[in-house]
Amino acid sequence: GDQVEQSPSALSLHEGTGSALRCNFTTTMRAVQWFRKNSRGSLINLFYLASGTKENGRLKSAFDSKERYSTLHIRDAQLEDSGTYFCAARRDNNAGAKLTFGGGTRLTVRP
Amino acid sequence: GALVYQYPRRTICKSGTSMRMECQAVGFQATSVAWYRQSPQKTFELIALSTVNSAIKYEQNFTQEKFPISHPNLSFSSMTVLNAYLEDRGLYLCGARTENSDYTFGSGTRLLVI
Repeated sequence: GDQVEQSPSALSLHEGTGSALRCNFTTTMRAVQWFRKNSRGSLINLFYLASGTKENGRLKSAFDSKERYSTLHIRDAQLEDSGTYFCAARRDNNAGAKLTFGGGTRLTVRP
Repeated sequence: GALVYQYPRRTICKSGTSMRMECQAVGFQATSVAWYRQSPQKTFELIALSTVNSAIKYEQNFTQEKFPISHPNLSFSSMTVLNAYLEDRGLYLCGARTENSDYTFGSGTRLLVI
């Protein structure tokens, strides 16, 4: 079945630094979403991409369907960015399309 | 905006009993509802995908007999965990979307089994 390989599984950053998370797909995906799971367990929708890149504040995401990957870049990391980040992708846009999640990246931002 | 509410937020049930959880879409028509489970130390596994006017499709390892789902209209869905045991514990997440849109997720129902 479809697989989404997310890396790294854990990441530690000092405040003010940055890094990138990556998801590789075993098949061609039509769209990707990035989420952050907050301390209350809610999945916060960060980005939805069908192609190209999107930027929101200190976060930037890219999706290349042909090359089968998506990235999430975090710059100037803040303490409140800590949490677990998930990518999720789907192959189709029809009503029956399912979303397959990556394994998650646990981000810890330290002072 | 599009919102999805799930309740209860957290529940405890005795081993062998059943637990029903609900999912409400607000501000959009939920033509598709997906139920996921995140077990401890694992990622989100799709249990089943329900699309209005189509049969509910269960993933491998999940059955209607164990996780019956109702999706009676474009704003509501419920799922029951029948005969819950320790391996059923985890966070149950409901995601809803309209065709050609992204998924909006609720905050989940955390199930503890004792």
